[in-house]
Amino acid sequence: DAGVTQSPTHLIKTRGQHVTLRCSPISGHKSVSWYQQVLGQGPQFIFQYYEKEERGRGNFPDRFSARQFPNYSSELNVNALLLGDSALYLCASSFFTRSSYNEQFFGPGTRLTVL
Amino acid sequence: GDSVTQMEGPVTLSEEAFLTINCTYTATGYPSLFWYVQYPGEGLQLLLKATKADDKGSNKGFEATYRKETTSFHLEKGSVQVSDSAVYFCALSDNNAGNMLTFGGGTRLMVKP
Repeated sequence: DAGVTQSPTHLIKTRGQHVTLRCSPISGHKSVSWYQQVLGQGPQFIFQYYEKEERGRGNFPDRFSARQFPNYSSELNVNALLLGDSALYLCASSFFTRSSYNEQFFGPGTRLTVL
Repeated sequence: GDSVTQMEGPVTLSEEAFLTINCTYTATGYPSLFWYVQYPGEGLQLLLKATKADDKGSNKGFEATYRKETTSFHLEKGSVQVSDSAVYFCALSDNNAGNMLTFGGGTRLMVKP
């Protein structure tokens, strides 16, 4: 079975532009989470979606938004890009239950460079 | 809020040396604990996990024990190989907050032949 897929692999944008990153979860997984990993740091949680609804949000500005589609794929959108948005953006998929942990499977990430 | 602190790297070892990477955490309740590994140019892979106190997670020769009394989850391996060179992340999940993971800053391991 295919793992989590993300597109594009690499992306270069300039300050002020908008970017859309895409993620397809493992078949059967209905939850998708997004993380930002700045070079040299650990990943930081951005969003979690389950059944097309936002179930969790990290400490990120409103320039960051996301959505989940009926086929459970997801998009992460970032508006008005800043140099500090340069990072590896990771998508993870899983089953979802609120009362216990479900293993998250990570995609290879999208490397975003903002110039 | 929840947080994870792990030893800063890089950690440089010779092949067959013993490895310890320290990890401590702060969390409310009873989190699940994880070690993830990231090889160059790749995403994160789950290495091992423990979901309750005194559990020992193990995989590929790596081990870590969930110590509630010291809020620690140190990663160990008895004999490292060059192929273990990677960045290792300690993480926790608050089981009442869905699947959100809180990560430490990562520790780079370099193993020399």
